[in-house]
Amino acid sequence: DGGITQSPKYLFRKEGQNVTLSCEQNLNHDAMYWYRQDPGQGLRLIYYSQIVNDFQKGDIAEGYSVSREKKESFPLTVTSAQKNPTAFYLCATRDRGNSPLHFGNGTRLTVT
Amino acid sequence: LAKTTQPISMDSYEGQEVNITCSHNNIATNDYITWYQQFPSQGPRFIIQGYKTKVTNEVASLFIPADRKSSTLSLPRVSLSDTAVYYCLVGDFHGSSNTGKLIFGQGTTLQVKP
Repeated sequence: DGGITQSPKYLFRKEGQNVTLSCEQNLNHDAMYWYRQDPGQGLRLIYYSQIVNDFQKGDIAEGYSVSREKKESFPLTVTSAQKNPTAFYLCATRDRGNSPLHFGNGTRLTVT
Repeated sequence: LAKTTQPISMDSYEGQEVNITCSHNNIATNDYITWYQQFPSQGPRFIIQGYKTKVTNEVASLFIPADRKSSTLSLPRVSLSDTAVYYCLVGDFHGSSNTGKLIFGQGTTLQVKP
């Protein structure tokens, strides 16, 4: 989706290092989301934010942290406390109400 | 827990109509039902959304019975390029407000054969 930029596309880190995944949007959407996807599995919700300066934990928030200082940006930090960080990470946005989610193209993180 | 249940996988042949059903017994009064398509190593893409009865767009139809406890995505005359994972997502209303918590189920892997 051209309105959501996730960078980088591929990211490699050594175990024990924190790493921050970027998600920027120019859709002027209020809500932003982070999902994790493991091979052959569905999407699992990590964190979400419905408004600037506010965010909530999803189902698998342990080992992750986020911030929402600007409407356009919702960076995700994968900390060393995350036991199995290697995965495909997807950022999404949503306008208000029942609007559908819009997804970025994802960042594939590999930790060795 | 996901609010939806779908078949894990389905097979079809080119040119056939494919119907994928999703169960959502605990759907909230204000929730809409949205279907997404995902190709490998890409983010899911919106296909169609509806609240009740039937919705049709240029790529699919969505059938929702009166009790809204299930929905069926219909893909007419599929091609090889329709091979993908399809997710049904129910909204996040609690009462009259969005909670924001959108939980995906496992999705249905559709394999279209020549």
